[in-house]
Amino acid sequence: NAGVTQTPKFRVLKTGQSMTLLCAQDMNHEYMYWYRQDPGMGLRLIHYSVGEGTTAKGEVPDGYNVSRLKKQNFLLGLESAAPSQTSVYFCASSYLRGRDNEQFFGPGTRLTVL
Amino acid sequence: QQPVQSPQAVILREGEDAVINCSSSKALYSVHWYRQKHGEAPVFLMILLKGGEQKGHEKISASFNEKKQQSSLYLTASQLSYSGTYFCGTANYGGSQGNLIFGKGTKLSVKP
Repeated sequence: NAGVTQTPKFRVLKTGQSMTLLCAQDMNHEYMYWYRQDPGMGLRLIHYSVGEGTTAKGEVPDGYNVSRLKKQNFLLGLESAAPSQTSVYFCASSYLRGRDNEQFFGPGTRLTVL
Repeated sequence: QQPVQSPQAVILREGEDAVINCSSSKALYSVHWYRQKHGEAPVFLMILLKGGEQKGHEKISASFNEKKQQSSLYLTASQLSYSGTYFCGTANYGGSQGNLIFGKGTKLSVKP
């Protein structure tokens, strides 16, 4: 099992450009999450999904969109990147609801917006 | 409401013990502990689901005091491999849609 994988691992964007981050899991988990991690801030939830075809906003959703067309994939989109979105992005998944279950994290995507 | 972790950083010698605390201003449903090594993903350590529950494996254990709305992580006889940043994630009753809110982390450095 690969667990949770993320692509790409690194990316540099110019302000205003768009991109999509892909997260895939092979554990048949229902719940998936996108977090961002900034120095000294911990992990902050951007968006999450409780199942195929569903998405919901987390703590810091502005400037991001998500889609979950297939159960195993969760996409994070930046329509018009801003320097404030420079961060490390982690995808995670859990079998059921996050408050009761272990979350499995992907290796992260380091994004720099110039 | 983001939980507050203390201390922010701690330096130990191999074999020493450490305690990391996690406090919330709201009633807690569960507390999760994760460890993250530099440049890597967070890795799950344990979940505490009931007030007063204590869990652990080998030399890392944790307690959950529901009344005080806090949890403590205990690292006994620390090893070099314990170095990293420790995060608590909390879930509150009736809030956050059942998701975790993570603290800012405690950086633990174990020296030989």
